[in-house]
Amino acid sequence: SAVISQKPSRDICQRGTSLTIQCQVDSQVTMMFWYRQQPGQSLTLIATANQGSEATYESGFVIDKFPISRPNLTFSTLTVSNMSPEDSSIYLCSVELYRGNGYTFGSGTRLTVV
Amino acid sequence: QQQVKQSPQSLIVQKGGISIINCAYENTAFDYFPWYQQFPGKGPALLIAIRPDVSEKKEGRFTISFNKSAKQFSLHIMDSQPGDSATYFCAASKPPDKLIFGTGTRLQVFP
Repeated sequence: SAVISQKPSRDICQRGTSLTIQCQVDSQVTMMFWYRQQPGQSLTLIATANQGSEATYESGFVIDKFPISRPNLTFSTLTVSNMSPEDSSIYLCSVELYRGNGYTFGSGTRLTVV
Repeated sequence: QQQVKQSPQSLIVQKGGISIINCAYENTAFDYFPWYQQFPGKGPALLIAIRPDVSEKKEGRFTISFNKSAKQFSLHIMDSQPGDSATYFCAASKPPDKLIFGTGTRLQVFP
């Protein structure tokens, strides 16, 4: 399975600021996924990031709030913009190395907005 | 039709007992059913997965039972250990579509 490094592991941010989360994979992957996990809740897909094209966002998530970059096949960033306390969550990136091999998750970024 | 319903929300089991978590789905197009284990402060880790062409899959103490006609699948943890205490998520998808996660079950195994 792939090894995913996600940074930062946690951060406390002021309301109105932005945070960029980095996701580095040790293998080349076509699609990378960004999830949000609110405290004590399940995982919700924010968007799917393909290299060389714009990310595809799920219902309820917009590019202006969660811009995503995917400059190459091993790296992606998710920015949480103009943060409010409601954005306090764990943000996780995920990849599927081979079709049907299962999705691997990073350890997540625990974001607290104050 | 995209939902995956998971129960129970929480589960307390004594060491050595059997932990059983159930999930139900609606979309008959789903053909991949994984279970993830998540410890506090960590991302979910793939535990075991099954496809609908088999009714059961076993890996060590972990077994998935799959009932295609009832659109249900379950995770059985035999000889549960305190180290199994975690949150478990079922999921379903039709690759390459996105994973749809259940709501999670917090398992506590007491010595």
